[in-house]
Amino acid sequence: QTVVTQEPSFSVSPGGTVTLTCGLSSGSVSTSYYPSWYQQTPGQAPRTLIYSTNTRSSGVPDRFSGSILGNKAALTITGAQADDESAYYCVLYMGSGIWVFGGGTKLTVL
Amino acid sequence: EVQLVESGGGLVKPGGSLRLSCAASGFTFSSYSMNWVRQAPGKGLEWVSSISSSSSYIYYADSVKGRFTISRDNAKNSLYLQMNSLRAEDTAVYYCARDRVGADYWYFDLWGRGTLVTVSS
Repeated sequence: QTVVTQEPSFSVSPGGTVTLTCGLSSGSVSTSYYPSWYQQTPGQAPRTLIYSTNTRSSGVPDRFSGSILGNKAALTITGAQADDESAYYCVLYMGSGIWVFGGGTKLTVL
Repeated sequence: EVQLVESGGGLVKPGGSLRLSCAASGFTFSSYSMNWVRQAPGKGLEWVSSISSSSSYIYYADSVKGRFTISRDNAKNSLYLQMNSLRAEDTAVYYCARDRVGADYWYFDLWGRGTLVTVSS
């Protein structure tokens, strides 16, 4: 079974830029996987950030952006703020009605 | 207000059963496909199951296939997950999530707050 890969953890300085990635154990991520990104703080439900690779959900600040970088989907935070410290999950559509989440990236802002 | 509210979680013994519900409000429930997504304590998100707006299409993750059944009642604006033969590894917060589908997009756009299921003797 295909595994969706994410960095387990990442650190960024306040005001800095960080790029989180979402890949496949076999193959390349493309727009046909409908990559989307979700932010989750402890004890809270996920919040939709980015869908269809690069479209920001309503109310999401423009410091969050999505793209395809090489063979992976990517979430870039430009000008990181303290309240961006969260877990970030990507999910890919595998076809036949099946979705697979990545393991998530815990982002620390310090 | 547009929202999803899960209920029905609790403590159940291994091998037992539980039925989760998700009440939708503030939107036309019958127009949307719906999903269940779970999160084990301290772990990541896992997609569990989805059902189309008219219940014509139903899909499951391999981890729950044959044990869980998703269903919906559009007249009651409600989504359900019948969980049988529960195992310790099914312990998780279960979220319902709405599908948003368009010509070139497909994602989960609305989430409930979740309900905790604990499988333990």
